[in-house]
Amino acid sequence: AQSVTQLDSHVSVSEGTPVLLRCNYSSSYSPSLFWYVQHPNKGLQLLLKYTSAATLVKGINGFEAEFKKSETSFHLTKPSAHMSDAAEYFCVVSPSGGSQGNLIFGKGTKLSVKP
Amino acid sequence: AAGVIQSPRHLIKEKRETATLKCYPIPRHDTVYWYQQGPGQDPQFLISFYEKMQSDKGSIPDRFSAQQFSDYHSELNMSSLELGDSALYFCASTRQGSAKNIQYFGAGTRLSVL
Repeated sequence: AQSVTQLDSHVSVSEGTPVLLRCNYSSSYSPSLFWYVQHPNKGLQLLLKYTSAATLVKGINGFEAEFKKSETSFHLTKPSAHMSDAAEYFCVVSPSGGSQGNLIFGKGTKLSVKP
Repeated sequence: AAGVIQSPRHLIKEKRETATLKCYPIPRHDTVYWYQQGPGQDPQFLISFYEKMQSDKGSIPDRFSAQQFSDYHSELNMSSLELGDSALYFCASTRQGSAKNIQYFGAGTRLSVL
């Protein structure tokens, strides 16, 4: 069975400092992995997606994630946090490519950005 | 660019009432997914449709039903509503076989059951 584990339920950073949101996955075969962001009272927006083309994936708003098979990790990073990055971030796995199967969400990490 | 449209955005019902949530996918998308996100929870997959046929089923209660119509829009019908059905309901759409292979989400319908 496929699953994702987000290691931190809450991360707090200061504006201008790096962001690291950790995610580990479990999959019996090469999965598709995603990061989605949800701002308060808003819908889910795709940040980036990994589908085995390249291990370092660049997304929107300066975010990127690196797929590490040996560590079964797909951590989300950003060099410098902005106040507008404060939101809930979900690491997501799709067992069958993202469009043909349902998505399995992690529990989410709430990112707070202090001025 | 057109996005996934969900209506209504907010819905207030009382226990034992019924509710219908609508989802209009991105044009040319043939697959629709429904997810339920309870307060403080991660989204949970309910059901999906491809070309008007149910393609997958998740943790959808028997009191709920859904269908996809010929214009590819989908409706989630919820009967005998319970307090625990209060949640944000997301619809996502995609086009099977597309290179991007991404589910695009609507803004959600927030259902409150009183």
